[in-house]
Amino acid sequence: AQKVTQAQTEISVVEKEDVTLDCVYETRDTTYYLFWYKQPPSGELVFLIRRNSFDEQNEISGRYSWNFQKSTSSFNFTITASQVVDSAVYFCALSEAWSNTGNQFYFGTGTSLTVIP
Amino acid sequence: EAGVTQFPSHSVIEKGQTVTLRCDPISGHDNLYWYRRVMGKEIKFLLHFVKESKQDESGMPNNRFLAERTGGTYSTLKVQPAELEDSGVYFCASSQDPRSTRKKNIQYFGAGTRLSVL
Repeated sequence: AQKVTQAQTEISVVEKEDVTLDCVYETRDTTYYLFWYKQPPSGELVFLIRRNSFDEQNEISGRYSWNFQKSTSSFNFTITASQVVDSAVYFCALSEAWSNTGNQFYFGTGTSLTVIP
Repeated sequence: EAGVTQFPSHSVIEKGQTVTLRCDPISGHDNLYWYRRVMGKEIKFLLHFVKESKQDESGMPNNRFLAERTGGTYSTLKVQPAELEDSGVYFCASSQDPRSTRKKNIQYFGAGTRLSVL
């Protein structure tokens, strides 16, 4: 069965600090996708990144970086030099990779990040 | 391009009443999903449409929930009669046909409908 665990319920950091959001997953599939979404106060889930299980390269996008480690089933998300606009709830999600019709997502419980000015 | 739109943004009803939630997916997206988040818990899958057909409804909690997608465009999710435990945020998401795009399996979400059953 698929499962995603985000052990950090709430995190507070002071602006300009770095912060890492943890995500651990369980799956029996050999191929799968991992995702991160951001939910700002406006409510919609904003897509941040999709990672294929075959691709273990870390990725950096501006102040955001993602560390995918298949050996520990983790897909952690780091924000460097955090800003107040980063305050949001962040969700990690997992889906099967191979389907002709699309797949449901399995989400973690989310991590609420507050960046204090 | 308009994103996924959900109506209403918030609904407050009494136990036993009926509520209908609506979702307008991104134009051209064949796949439409409904999810629900009960306060503090994970976002859970309810069901998946491919065009007008139900592809997977394994997450629907019980027969008080009815989802439709007539014509393969917008979708409605009706709860009848509503119970206290139905309270939560209902999210809709849409995605392109995974066979025809490199963006397969990326789901784009709306802002959700917050349902409060009193």
